[in-house]
Order: sequence, then structure tokens, then C-alpha cells
Amino acid sequence: AQSVTQLGSHVSVSEGALVLLRCNYSSSVPPYLFWYVQYPNQGLQLLLKYTSAATLVKGINGFEAEFKKSETSFHLTKPSAHMSDAAEYFCAVSGGYSSASKIIFGSGTRLSIRP
Amino acid sequence: DAGVIQSPRHEVTEMGQEVTLRCKPISGHDYLFWYRQTMMRGLELLIYFNNNVPIDDSGMPEDRFSAKMPNASFSTLKIQPSEPRDSAVYFCASSLSSGGFTDTQYFGPGTRLTVL
Repeated sequence: AQSVTQLGSHVSVSEGALVLLRCNYSSSVPPYLFWYVQYPNQGLQLLLKYTSAATLVKGINGFEAEFKKSETSFHLTKPSAHMSDAAEYFCAVSGGYSSASKIIFGSGTRLSIRP
Repeated sequence: DAGVIQSPRHEVTEMGQEVTLRCKPISGHDYLFWYRQTMMRGLELLIYFNNNVPIDDSGMPEDRFSAKMPNASFSTLKIQPSEPRDSAVYFCASSLSSGGFTDTQYFGPGTRLTVL
């Protein structure tokens, strides 16, 4: 079984500041981990995903995330926030090809950018 | 490619009425997913198909909900009868055949359903 917890339902940062969105997961099998972004009135789109290759994963729009097995974390970061980054971000976990696998999404973190 | 297409984008109906939501996945994608998003419960997987066959419908909340995929380019999610608690945004997503839960899912824009 899998589960995911996103710490902080709302994060606010200044433009140009570091963005850090936290995600912790639980999985009984080696996990596949994802970050999706949702802009207002749109569907989700993939930012990046971890599939057991490199532990530091680079995604679109300057975002990256690091898989830390010992901490069961997959936090999302971006060195310098842009106004266009304001959106809702979802962390998700799946058990991959496991027969019992499903994809579980976190509750989301709304990112606001202050001018 | 046009991406995943959903219709209608907005639906307002009265309690007890039948509601049908439609989805056209990306051509060539073998997996299709239906999700429901609400403030209280977040994003929930309702059902998914592989090659038009329903694989897991354990997320469907009640027998009032049903989903079909008659061919590779069309799927429907039906609620009959609808209730106010069904009000939510319903998303359809599709992915390639490399494995439904390992591959990138491409989401449609969603259908915002309001049941009065």
C-alpha cells in the first residue's frame, strides 16, 4: 500500500526566493514518485517523476526534487520563484508495476508568489 | 495533438437527473483514468481502463456511478441519479502502454459538475 503526505496546504514566497514544497511518502514496494502542477481551471500536468534512476530529478520550469529513501521524502525545490509559478502542486506515489499498485495523490500545496 | 478532451466543461443539473461526462484520450494511449477532485477529499481515482477494459473500479463511490469505454477514443462516466454531494470537478487522464501507474498521465481540463 502507498500513501503520501504533503506538509503545508499553502506556501507563500517572495518572487526570486527559494521554493520548497514538502512531500513524504509511504510504500511497501520501491516507489514511483511524481510531482504534478495544476494551474487555475486546468488539469494537472507533470513536473517531474522519479523511477529509481538518479535520486535527483530535474523537471520542467526549473523545478527539481530529490528522492531520499532514508527520510522517505521527495521534496520539490526551485532556486528562484517566478510569478508564473503560482499554482497548486501535487505529490503522488505509486507502486509501479506491482499488481497491487495504485496511484495516490497528496492533498496538494497551494503556492503563492509575493511581488 | 489536441491533448485529452473532456465535455462538457461545466454541467449544472438538478438532483435526481442523469449526468454523462465524456472523454477522448490522446491517440495511442492505452490507459484511461477517471478522477474526482473535491476540496474535502482531494483527488481520487475512480476507475481506470487498459485497452478499453475496466481494470479497477474500486474507487467508484456508489452503484450510481458507472463508466464505459466502448472504443479506444471514447469513454463516459455516468451518474444516475445525481445527488448534491456528487458536485466536484471530474478529470479524465490517459497514459501510454508502458504501465499505467509508472508513466506520465495527461489530464484533460476537467468537467465542473454542480448538482442542485
